[in-house]
Order: sequence, then C-alpha cells, then structure tokens
Amino acid sequence: EAGVTQFPSHSVIEKGQTVTLRCDPISGHDNLYWYRRVMGKEIKFLLHFVKESKQDESGMPNNRFLAERTGGTYSTLKVQPAELEDSGVYFCASSLDRQGGRGYTFGSGTRLTVV
Amino acid sequence: AQKVTQAQTEISVVEKEDVTLDCVYETRDTTYYLFWYKQPPSGELVFLIRRNSFDEQNEISGRYSWNFQKSTSSFNFTITASQVVDSAVYFCALSETTQGGSEKLVFGKGTKLTVNP
Repeated sequence: EAGVTQFPSHSVIEKGQTVTLRCDPISGHDNLYWYRRVMGKEIKFLLHFVKESKQDESGMPNNRFLAERTGGTYSTLKVQPAELEDSGVYFCASSLDRQGGRGYTFGSGTRLTVV
Repeated sequence: AQKVTQAQTEISVVEKEDVTLDCVYETRDTTYYLFWYKQPPSGELVFLIRRNSFDEQNEISGRYSWNFQKSTSSFNFTITASQVVDSAVYFCALSETTQGGSEKLVFGKGTKLTVNP
C-alpha cells in the first residue's frame, strides 16, 4: 500500500508570503495528524482530523495556520502570512483508529524555510 | 503533563559497538503506548516499535532490542553490533489521550546517533 505522501518536500518563502502544504494519508485512514519540528526542538502535535472534522487543534500555534481536510481525504496546512519562526519540518501522519494500537504512519515531511 | 526525556543529544560510536539510547517518560494515563521512530538523513520518520503499557516483556528484533521498565518509567533502545546504516536521529514517543477522546504523540527531542566505520 502507498504510504503517507507530503508535498512539497521543501519550500523556501519570504516572510509575509503564504505557503500551503499538502498531505495525502494512506487510503482508508480516517485519522490524519499534523506535527512539526522547529529547529532543535521536539516534534510537536498541531492537530488531528477524523475524516473531515477537526478532532483536536490544540497544538495550532496561532491563527496564521489553517488546516483543512475537505471530503476527508487529503489535507492542506496553510500558513498565512509566514513568519521566520514558522521554519521547520512539518510532518503528517495517518492511522486507522484514534488510539495508538495500530500505530501511526508518518510521511517524509515538508521542510519549510522562511527567510 | 506528559513528557518524554531523551537525555542523550548525540552519541558517536564505532561500527560493531553496542549502543543504548535512553528514554524516560512521564504520564498520567494508566493505559498508554510507547514508540520508537528512526529518522534517517532522508528525513522520513520510520516506525520501529510500539509497546502497550500493560506489556512489559522486552522485545528483540534482529540487532534491535527494547527494555521497557514501568517501575522506572523507561523504555530504552539497544542496537547490538551497530552499523553505519544505523546512523540517524532516533525519537522516543508517548501516546497521550486528549480531552476529546483522541490521541496524540508526545516526542522526546531525539538522539542523534553516528556510527563511524
């Protein structure tokens, strides 16, 4: 089966611009998560979708971040306007159920650099 | 609050040496999962193991082994006879049940392992 796919793999944008990251989960996985790792720090949870609904968005840093999952398939994470501190690696993961029992599959991440 | 501590920031060993990566966690949940992920230079997070909190049996998979000790809240990872291909950043993670009934992972900061030929 295909894994979790993220696009683009790298993005370099100027401060103040907008960037949209995309994640395609494993087919049939209702649960989709976004995480990010800011340089030198832990990988931190951003939000969790169950199908098209946001189950938990407690990790979203501020209202410059907007995540969507229309139709319950792929998801997008938009940063508008981007700031320097948004630089980092953004990971997407998907799972069959809400609990960790059957594990999470992560994508390769999108490395975002804001200059 | 849930927390994962990987005290070793970087470890450097010579090929064929054994190496242990430490992981200590804090949780308020009675049921939880512990994970190890590997991040090679290519960037993806590769799943290595998932352990249920009720299962304290140690596990061995080839050159990899994991020691789960609930009494000390530790879930250490040992690579036996390390190889250059083991060079990567290794993350320990803990599941946390959210108020909404779903789950997220809490990660440690990672340990960068370099295996030199």
